[in-house]
Amino acid sequence: EAGVTQSPTHLIKTRGQQVTLRCSPISGHTSVYWYQQALGLGLQFLLWYDEGEERNRGNFPPRFSGRQFPNYSSELNVNALELEDSALYLCASRARGANRGAFFGQGTRLTVV
Amino acid sequence: GDSVTQMEGPVTLSEEAFLTINCTYTATGYPSLFWYVQYPGEGLQLLLKATKADDKGSNKGFEATYRKETTSFHLEKGSVQVSDSAVYFCALSAPNSGYALNFGKGTSLLVTP
Repeated sequence: EAGVTQSPTHLIKTRGQQVTLRCSPISGHTSVYWYQQALGLGLQFLLWYDEGEERNRGNFPPRFSGRQFPNYSSELNVNALELEDSALYLCASRARGANRGAFFGQGTRLTVV
Repeated sequence: GDSVTQMEGPVTLSEEAFLTINCTYTATGYPSLFWYVQYPGEGLQLLLKATKADDKGSNKGFEATYRKETTSFHLEKGSVQVSDSAVYFCALSAPNSGYALNFGKGTSLLVTP
């Protein structure tokens, strides 16, 4: 069974640009979570999507947004990139109704220059 | 709100030493508790979990027991190996937050030969 897959693995963008990161959850998982792991800041919760809807978001500005598609895959969009957006962006998926933990992809390393 | 506190690292141990990484939590209700591990350059892997009080999670020689009375979930391993060198994250999730994982800051472990 394939795990959570994220693309691209690495990305370099210029300040002010926009970026889209993609995530495919484990088959059968309906919830997708996005986290930011910036150096020295630990893992910060960004967004939660379930059944195509945004259910919750962390303490991030509106230029961080996303969506979930009918096949439960998800995109994270970041507009007007800032240098401090440089981080590892991790996607995780969870099966419906299960609190057995979420499973993470390998992440997308975003560098903003 | 819910939170997780882990002991600060880095922790440096010799091979075959005993490992304890402390984790305490604050939560309303009855969260599930998790330990995740992140090897260099990789995403997070679920190491073990416990979903109710007195449950013991175990995997790959690591163990942790859900202690409601002390609100703790300390990670232990009897004999560490060099390959255990990684960053370890304690986390909780609860229904009131959509099962989003709330992470501690992580503890870096270095095991030397």
